[in-house]
Amino acid sequence: GAVVSQHPSWVICKSGTSVKIECRSLDFQATTMFWYRQFPKQSLMLMATSNEGSKATYEQGVEKDKFLINHASLTLSTLTVTSAHPEDSSFYICSASPVSGAGRNSPLHFGNGTRLTVT
Amino acid sequence: GENVEQHPSTLSVQEGDSAVIKCTYSDSASNYFPWYKQELGKRPQLIIDIRSNVGEKKDQRIAVTLNKTAKHFSLHITETQPEDSAVYFCAASWGNDMRFGAGTRLTVKP
Repeated sequence: GAVVSQHPSWVICKSGTSVKIECRSLDFQATTMFWYRQFPKQSLMLMATSNEGSKATYEQGVEKDKFLINHASLTLSTLTVTSAHPEDSSFYICSASPVSGAGRNSPLHFGNGTRLTVT
Repeated sequence: GENVEQHPSTLSVQEGDSAVIKCTYSDSASNYFPWYKQELGKRPQLIIDIRSNVGEKKDQRIAVTLNKTAKHFSLHITETQPEDSAVYFCAASWGNDMRFGAGTRLTVKP
């Protein structure tokens, strides 16, 4: 149980275009999902917390107008990288918890991640 | 906010030996400490976790210890096997704040 699906697993796009990444909780409802960015050989850096039915909460230094997050249902959150540039190339991972209302104080289940390459 | 430091950044052991990874945290209010294993190109997977009301937890070859006074917690892997080779992340959480350590790349040599 507690499966999180992320799509696509990899994407290559041209500079200036936008890319949408989907994160789905397949067998549970998630009022909160989390988006991370991971550079090679580095840790998971939290970008934002996606809240169903309300605005996402962004971490300091993360541009909310560049990384658009939409959490329209209890099982789907999307991250759109707008006007992508080569420096946006990275591994993006989402996570969610099946424990309702527990915030981040509970086990997280991660998506498989999306490797974005901007040329 | 919470700050988590993890050591060592790389660790190489011989198959069958034990491996220990240590983390410290800064926020005394943190009360949940998970450990994740991430194999190359794959998602992080929870391997064990501990809450602040427990000092030690064990699951087969994996154990975690927590010292709340010193604000540090450790992952212990005994009888290591080549398939234990991966990057391990510790994390500390309180309420709506979870922070990850920088990760430890464990290599188990056959």
